[in-house]
Amino acid sequence: KAGVTQTPRYLIKTRGQQVTLSCSPISGHRSVSWYQQTPGQGLQFLFEYFSETQRNKGNFPGRFSGRQFSNSRSEMNVSTLELGDSALYLCASSIRGANEKLFFGSGTQLSVL
Amino acid sequence: QKEVEQNSGPLSVPEGAIASLNCTYSDRVSQSFFWYRQYSGKSPELIMSIYSNGDKEDGRFTAQLNKASQYVSLLIRDSQPSDSATYLCAVLTSGTYKYIFGTGTRLKVLA
Repeated sequence: KAGVTQTPRYLIKTRGQQVTLSCSPISGHRSVSWYQQTPGQGLQFLFEYFSETQRNKGNFPGRFSGRQFSNSRSEMNVSTLELGDSALYLCASSIRGANEKLFFGSGTQLSVL
Repeated sequence: QKEVEQNSGPLSVPEGAIASLNCTYSDRVSQSFFWYRQYSGKSPELIMSIYSNGDKEDGRFTAQLNKASQYVSLLIRDSQPSDSATYLCAVLTSGTYKYIFGTGTRLKVLA
């Protein structure tokens, strides 16, 4: 069974631009969650989707948004990029999203210059 | 106060020793607790989950949970150099789908 696939693996953007990251969950997994990982803050929860609905959102500004499609694939968008948005963005999938093992993708390393 | 706190380390232990990793959490309604291991440059992977007070053993790993003290720990027996990684504690609050992670403890097992 294929794992969680995130694309692209690396991105370099400049301040003010926007970016879209993609995540394809494991087949049969309907919950997709997104995390931002930085050396100082660790893994911080962005949002979680299940069956195209956002069920939980973390404490990030509105510049961070996401969506999920009917095939459970998810995208995350960051608009008006800031230097502080440079981080590893990880996507995780699970069957239902509660009390379960999260399967993480390899992440997208975003650098904002 | 952070929602999930861990000592960042590094925690250095000699090969064959017991490594003890600790985590405290602030939300009393937290219901599920997880330990993930993350090797440098890799993604986190689950090694243990625990839902009720007490100990849970899986091979060389033992998770311990004390909800009254809001404390969860991971013991690694017979530590190996391959256990050198960052260990992340994660907490799921009841009624949500939001896993809160600690910043992780870096473990170094010295050969």
